[in-house]
Amino acid sequence: KNQVEQSPQSLIILEGKNCTLQCNYTVSPFSNLRWYKQDTGRGPVSLTIMTFSENTKSNGRYTATLDADTKQSSLHITASQLSDSASYICVVRRASNYQLIWGAGTKLIIKP
Amino acid sequence: NAGVTQTPKFRVLKTGQSMTLLCAQDMNHEYMYWYRQDPGMGLRLIHYSVGEGTTAKGEVPDGYNVSRLKKQNFLLGLESAAPSQTSVYFCASSRSGTDVYEQYFGPGTRLTVT
Repeated sequence: KNQVEQSPQSLIILEGKNCTLQCNYTVSPFSNLRWYKQDTGRGPVSLTIMTFSENTKSNGRYTATLDADTKQSSLHITASQLSDSASYICVVRRASNYQLIWGAGTKLIIKP
Repeated sequence: NAGVTQTPKFRVLKTGQSMTLLCAQDMNHEYMYWYRQDPGMGLRLIHYSVGEGTTAKGEVPDGYNVSRLKKQNFLLGLESAAPSQTSVYFCASSRSGTDVYEQYFGPGTRLTVT
């Protein structure tokens, strides 16, 4: 079954600290993996898109990694800010029919 | 450039009532999508459109209908609302449905069916 599992479900850290969010998937065949940020009451906004050949991709303080062999991805946030408080969603696209499989997200809370 | 807009932002319906959600995009995107988001679950695709005048079913199409009469608009209809349709509805658009083109989302419509 094509699934995307994210951990932890929720995370609370202090402002200025780093954190890493995990994404494991069983989607096949794989096309690409995306990370979205969703602020409370808003629609998701794309952070990064990674294809099979990309291991690491950065977007400011956000760094995503992809291990296509183990079907794992991570999103690392450096020097967290209060504005990083949001849900972070991992999404995998199937190559066969371009279907997007969405994870349930990790809710991140940054405390001052 | 407003991106993707949705109306209304909030709505409360009684069981059996009907309504239409409107999505508009000004990016000249070919593809448009309707999703629903429920607590603890990933977004689920209801219907999508690959161009003006076309629509197709997604994962959870039952109880919904859609129309794409103009390229910039995508309408989602509920003919007879049920409490199970209480959810947050997101519209999205993309330049293409293939490859690495990202989807741009609207702000969402929070629908409660009592």
